[in-house]
Amino acid sequence: RKEVEQDPGPFNVPEGATVAFNCTYSNSASQSFFWYRQDCRKEPKLLMSVYSSGNEDGRFTAQLNRASQYISLLIRDSKLSDSATYLCVALSSYKLIFGSGTRLLVRP
Amino acid sequence: SAVISQKPSRDICQRGTSLTIQCQVDSQVTMMFWYRQQPGQSLTLIATANQGSEATYESGFVIDKFPISRPNLTFSTLTVSNMSPEDSSIYLCSVPSDRGDTQYFGPGTRLTVL
Repeated sequence: RKEVEQDPGPFNVPEGATVAFNCTYSNSASQSFFWYRQDCRKEPKLLMSVYSSGNEDGRFTAQLNRASQYISLLIRDSKLSDSATYLCVALSSYKLIFGSGTRLLVRP
Repeated sequence: SAVISQKPSRDICQRGTSLTIQCQVDSQVTMMFWYRQQPGQSLTLIATANQGSEATYESGFVIDKFPISRPNLTFSTLTVSNMSPEDSSIYLCSVPSDRGDTQYFGPGTRLTVL
């Protein structure tokens, strides 16, 4: 079993849609969690950190449920520019453990 | 966030040869990380490079295949030795954030081995 698991998608949604990605992690000792965004042929870039209290950054909302070992990312009012692969990441010791990524395609 | 550069950005190499990838960061950092991202896969940590000590390798990666140098606090190299087509991948270096809770990545080196 992978330490961080995601639905690979792709999620194909129209502009303006709301889309949610889910992620589970197996190591209960993981300290921190993040969502990274990776565009085609580019390096991963930090999108946002994930906290138990939930955090919001514009159209993006991330949530952590430690009891269920579950992480989510909600994107509201999808834009064409949101098309990318979204990587769920856990920090265990000082190491980042990456999920395989969920691909999002936003169509006009 | 730190500004990270890598050289080369891409290369096509023959089987059996070696390639050294350079990673330069614009600030001093204690730890630098090397990752591999195989086609269609996510990132896998190869090793952690600490200045002044031997690199720490993850399970499945060995120093003979992926020797690493860390001569100072702003620079590191990763060598992919005796390459085979299975080594075709993107190789990325990263550095910790100021808070140390996450990492920032270089642009990557896209390697194709024929």
